[in-house]
Amino acid sequence: EPEVTQTPSHQVTQMGQEVILRCVPISNHLYFYWYRQILGQKVEFLVSFYNNEISEKSEIFDDQFSVERPDGSNFTLKIRSTKLEDSAMYFCASNPGHSTPNQPQHFGDGTRLSIL
Amino acid sequence: SQQGEEDPQALSIQEGENATMNCSYKTSINNLQWYRQNSGRGLVHLILIRSNEREKHSGRLRVTLDTSKKSSSLLITASRAADTASYFCATDLAKGAQKLVFGQGTRLTINP
Repeated sequence: EPEVTQTPSHQVTQMGQEVILRCVPISNHLYFYWYRQILGQKVEFLVSFYNNEISEKSEIFDDQFSVERPDGSNFTLKIRSTKLEDSAMYFCASNPGHSTPNQPQHFGDGTRLSIL
Repeated sequence: SQQGEEDPQALSIQEGENATMNCSYKTSINNLQWYRQNSGRGLVHLILIRSNEREKHSGRLRVTLDTSKKSSSLLITASRAADTASYFCATDLAKGAQKLVFGQGTRLTINP
């Protein structure tokens, strides 16, 4: 069964540094998402992406965050200048899109981001 | 309460018993999804129930949806030690880009 893959599984970065988290969504999916989960807390929506642009973003997704689909397969989340509170598990997800409504989102295994 | 609130927050039962987890939400939804998360791992999709459905089964899982009460339940029958995990409900809202709103989750422990 096709999977969403995320790399790296664990990223350790110094505060203030830029970090890029990578995802390869399922190939025929049209909607892509980033979520985060701070340790011990619930999963929070960050951003959704469709047709090469952001379709919705949360309050968490401020100017420090950006997303990009640089080619036909990768979907990246960039944090420009990391803060301690960015430490969390970041999940990428994908979904077939409007053509097939009411489909589940498929999640990757996540990237654990630790900011020192 | 927030969109997608589960109760109980933690549940500990003996292997072989049934486990029931509940979820409440506040706004209209397209569907409601249940996910499992093993400690430190990713989210595994279990069941999706549409807003016009009332009950759905998948193996040992049974999900109900009551849109008049804005609530859902997940029943795991004949529990096994491997069912130990956190379980989250997530609502796909009626508007927008199909983003999911997750609850706090129920931490389920199955004792052998």
